Amino acid sequence: EAGVTQSPTHLIKTRGQQATLRCSPISGHTSVYWYQQALGLGLQFLLWYDEGEERNRGNFPPRFSGRQFPNYSSELNVNALELEDSALYLCASSLAGRLNEQFFGPGTRLTVL
Amino acid sequence: QQPVQSPQAVILREGEDAVINCSSSKALYSVHWYRQKHGEAPVFLMILLKGGEQKGHEKISASFNEKKQQSSLYLTASQLSYSGTYFCGTFRGGQNFVFGPGTRLSVLP
Repeated sequence: EAGVTQSPTHLIKTRGQQATLRCSPISGHTSVYWYQQALGLGLQFLLWYDEGEERNRGNFPPRFSGRQFPNYSSELNVNALELEDSALYLCASSLAGRLNEQFFGPGTRLTVL
Repeated sequence: QQPVQSPQAVILREGEDAVINCSSSKALYSVHWYRQKHGEAPVFLMILLKGGEQKGHEKISASFNEKKQQSSLYLTASQLSYSGTYFCGTFRGGQNFVFGPGTRLSVLP
């Protein structure tokens, strides 16, 4: 069974640009979570999608947005990039419901210059 | 409002035991444990639910004290492969999943 995949692996942008990160969940999983992990730091919750709907978002500015497609894949968009947006962005998928484990993808390393 | 973890870091020799704690000032309905090795994505270890139900790896042992709003992860006879950062996490407000700051575990030969 294929795991969670993310693309691209690395992304280099300059300040003010926009970045788009993509995530494909495990087949059968309808929930997708996005997390930001700055270098050496913990996992900060960004967004949660389930069945195509945004269920909740973490304490991030509106320039962080996303969506979930009918096939349950997801996209994270970051507009007006700032230097502090440089981080590893992890996507995780799970079966529906809050009592299921999350399976993480390898992440996208975003560097903002 | 993230859970609090202790200790922040621990160093063990192979074969030694360790306990990692996770506590919250707000009611916990479930606690999730993950391990992240350096340069890798987090991997699921265990979910503990209110009422005593558990789901996870057989070799992992954990407890959940609902009254104290605490969970503990027990690592016995540690192996080199146990090294990594351990995160506990829980849902806040029913919708927002938050992780603790992590406990860095180093197992030395």
